Amino acid sequence: NAGVTQTPKFQVLKTGQSMTLQCAQDMNHNSMYWYRQDPGMGLRLIYYSASEGTTDKGEVPNGYNVSRLNKREFSLRLESAAPSQTSVYFCASSISSITTEAFFGQGTRLTVV
Amino acid sequence: AQSVAQPEDQVNVAEGNPLTVKCTYSVSGNPYLFWYVQYPNRGLQFLLKYITGDNLVKGSYGFEAEFNKSQTSFHLKKPSALVSDSALYFCAVRDDSSASKIIFGSGTRLSIRP
Repeated sequence: NAGVTQTPKFQVLKTGQSMTLQCAQDMNHNSMYWYRQDPGMGLRLIYYSASEGTTDKGEVPNGYNVSRLNKREFSLRLESAAPSQTSVYFCASSISSITTEAFFGQGTRLTVV
Repeated sequence: AQSVAQPEDQVNVAEGNPLTVKCTYSVSGNPYLFWYVQYPNRGLQFLLKYITGDNLVKGSYGFEAEFNKSQTSFHLKKPSALVSDSALYFCAVRDDSSASKIIFGSGTRLSIRP
């Protein structure tokens, strides 16, 4: 099983450019998440989708938009990239039950210059 | 709102010694607590969780964690550390006031010296 797949793995953007990070899971999970990881800051929740058709803001949503395309896919869009968005981005998914853990993708390393 | 604190950025332990990585939490409902490990250039891997019941939970690779409701803590422990345990460890929490959100701590880097 592939689990959670993120594309691309690496990306360099110029300030002001836009891009979409893709995420797909094949575990039939209801909930999906986008996190960013920065040194000393841990993982911060950007947006999440509790189920297909719903999305909610997390801790640091500014500068991002998301789309829950279907049950499998959850994309993260940067409309106008800024150097402060240089980070490693992780997608995760889980069964909707509160007692279950999340499964993570391998991450996307994004650099904005 | 949920929050998680990991007070130590780094923990250094000699191989064979016991290790503890600390985590405290704040939730408005019942807590559901998780530990994850991250190896270099990898995603996070689940280690163990506390849902209800026995306060001492056991997980992968010989790790265990103790839930303490009065101290709102969920410390990760291992009786005898291995060099291969060196990694970044994250504590996370969900609560039943906002069931879908999973909030992580800032992480603790565990370094095991031979």
